[in-house]
Amino acid sequence: QKEVEQNSGPLSVPEGAIASLNCTYSDRGSQSFFWYRQYSGKSPELIMFIYSNGDKEDGRFTAQLNKASQYVSLLIRDSQPSDSATYLCAVSGGGADGLTFGKGTHLIIQP
Amino acid sequence: EPEVTQTPSHQVTQMGQEVILRCVPISNHLYFYWYRQILGQKVEFLVSFYNNEISEKSEIFDDQFSVERPDGSNFTLKIRSTKLEDSAMYFCASRTSVFPTDTQYFGPGTRLTVL
Repeated sequence: QKEVEQNSGPLSVPEGAIASLNCTYSDRGSQSFFWYRQYSGKSPELIMFIYSNGDKEDGRFTAQLNKASQYVSLLIRDSQPSDSATYLCAVSGGGADGLTFGKGTHLIIQP
Repeated sequence: EPEVTQTPSHQVTQMGQEVILRCVPISNHLYFYWYRQILGQKVEFLVSFYNNEISEKSEIFDDQFSVERPDGSNFTLKIRSTKLEDSAMYFCASRTSVFPTDTQYFGPGTRLTVL
């Protein structure tokens, strides 16, 4: 049974600070790792994906992957109130596999 | 920018009725997916579909569910006899290929309410 674990939060971060979101996964065969943002009542929106160990940066977002520790993280720099949402970690075993999602971390950016 | 579309946005049905949820994937995408999200819970994979066949399905996707690509644009999810516990948001997703860099793009969802 593939599992993806996230702290449900809420995680409260002051505006302008760095928000750090974490995720662990159980299946060592997982190949691709995704961060989605979901606003209440809306569909998941892709923020970033990563499939190699290390860091990947895209604007204010940095994804980090450590396959040995089965750990994925997302850093959001210069957090804005509009970043307030639920952040979903998802993993894929590759191929046409569906995504396995965590429950998500509710992030609140305080103005 | 191309988007995945889904209809209807909200469907209300009586327990035991059949429902069909419709999706139009992005036009050059070849892999199609259905997910569901029960209120307050995580997004759960139901089924993946490629080349007019199911590629993978989860334990949730039992005999009450079926998928079809009836023409070149639509991708449908049918629930044969709805139960109260089928009430959820249903998301369709599509992607171009299975390369790791080709990610899944989600539609806006259909909220299914079973009474």
